[in-house]
Amino acid sequence: GEDVEQSLFLSVREGDSSVINCTYTDSSSTYLYWYKQEPGAGLQLLTYIFSNMDMKQDQRLTVLLNKKDKHLSLRIADTQTGDSAIYFCAESMRNRDDKIIFGKGTRLHILP
Amino acid sequence: EPEVTQTPSHQVTQMGQEVILRCVPISNHLYFYWYRQILGQKVEFLVSFYNNEISEKSEIFDDQFSVERPDGSNFTLKIRSTKLEDSAMYFCASGRRQGARYEQYFGPGTRLTVT
Repeated sequence: GEDVEQSLFLSVREGDSSVINCTYTDSSSTYLYWYKQEPGAGLQLLTYIFSNMDMKQDQRLTVLLNKKDKHLSLRIADTQTGDSAIYFCAESMRNRDDKIIFGKGTRLHILP
Repeated sequence: EPEVTQTPSHQVTQMGQEVILRCVPISNHLYFYWYRQILGQKVEFLVSFYNNEISEKSEIFDDQFSVERPDGSNFTLKIRSTKLEDSAMYFCASGRRQGARYEQYFGPGTRLTVT
């Protein structure tokens, strides 16, 4: 079945890099996503990667995809206090691209 | 920048009552969705809606749930007879197709508390 797993908490010092990891089970996933949720706000799409790519970089964000191990990671360079949020890993399916499967979310806490 | 809005932000209701959660999608979007997140659990897909009909629904979306787009701008989720386990954050999303990908934009959510 479809499942997305990620660790629940991560603490990082301001200025360091944050790496949030995720594993997924369905090898037919077409797109993999990272969403950010700030307190009281909705789910904001941060970035996504197509399943035939290994890496995508967007300013401070780097997404790495290891399709063989079904492992996705999000690296945030130079982590700032404004990066404090819950980060959701998600996937969409090859034949039903309009349905998104989410993980439980990783709460990123920034230490001063 | 256009965004999805949801009302109310928090709804408290008694078990057995009907609730209607409201969403205003982004105006030129054609695809509409409801998801929910029970506290401490994953965000779960409930239903997708396109061309005035349900295109897919999950096994959570049983006969107690219904969706409607009554006036071309609002998108509502109705729960006919709420149960304690319906307590959750309900997210509406609207979307459009970008090439092969469906891009979804989420609202801030409605927290439903069933007592």
